[in-house]
Amino acid sequence: GIQVEQSPPDLILQEGANSTLRCNFSDSVNNLQWFHQNPWGQLINLFYIPSGTKQNGRLSATTVATERYSLLYISSSQTTDSGVYFCAVIGKANSKLTFGKGITLSVRP
Amino acid sequence: EAGVAQSPRYKIIEKRQSVAFWCNPISGHATLYWYQQILGQGPKLLIQFQNNGVVDDSQLPKDRFSAERLKGVDSTLKIQPAKLEDSAVYLCASSPPGQGVNRETQYFGPGTRLLVL
Repeated sequence: GIQVEQSPPDLILQEGANSTLRCNFSDSVNNLQWFHQNPWGQLINLFYIPSGTKQNGRLSATTVATERYSLLYISSSQTTDSGVYFCAVIGKANSKLTFGKGITLSVRP
Repeated sequence: EAGVAQSPRYKIIEKRQSVAFWCNPISGHATLYWYQQILGQGPKLLIQFQNNGVVDDSQLPKDRFSAERLKGVDSTLKIQPAKLEDSAVYLCASSPPGQGVNRETQYFGPGTRLLVL
């Protein structure tokens, strides 16, 4: 099946800093979503972005489908941004949403 | 718009007991998913329903897990008998129609944390 790798596995930031989270995938995709799992376990949709660039406030994402990667940018980070960020994809050859292992972000005040 | 609802939020049982989880998807969402998330890992799909029919249950351990969505809305996931390795968060998700096959945006509920002792 399709492989999803996220990096770095852990990230510690000072409040106000910017960061870039990366997701590499091993095959062409029909679907790519970024999620934020907050400390209470809730998975929150950030972006549906199988290709192109989107922005939502301090967050933006870019997927370069031909090179099989996606980037999530967080600007002016806040303590509420802490949690685990997951990239999940559905490959063209299958139908399951496959998650990466996640990136644990800690934003310190 | 109300999100995906799940209950209970927490459950502690002993091994070999049975347990059931309930999910109510977002209104109008035809597709419903159950995922298992073990600590430190990403969620893994257990079963996918389209209305009240099963689309994919290839990763559901059918000797102990069962799921149903009788009227195409609410769903229940059951484990009987539970094993220690079933300790995990069980997440329900739903997606709206009309976005294209495998292109649907999935929206997740708060999950049920299960601890098997």
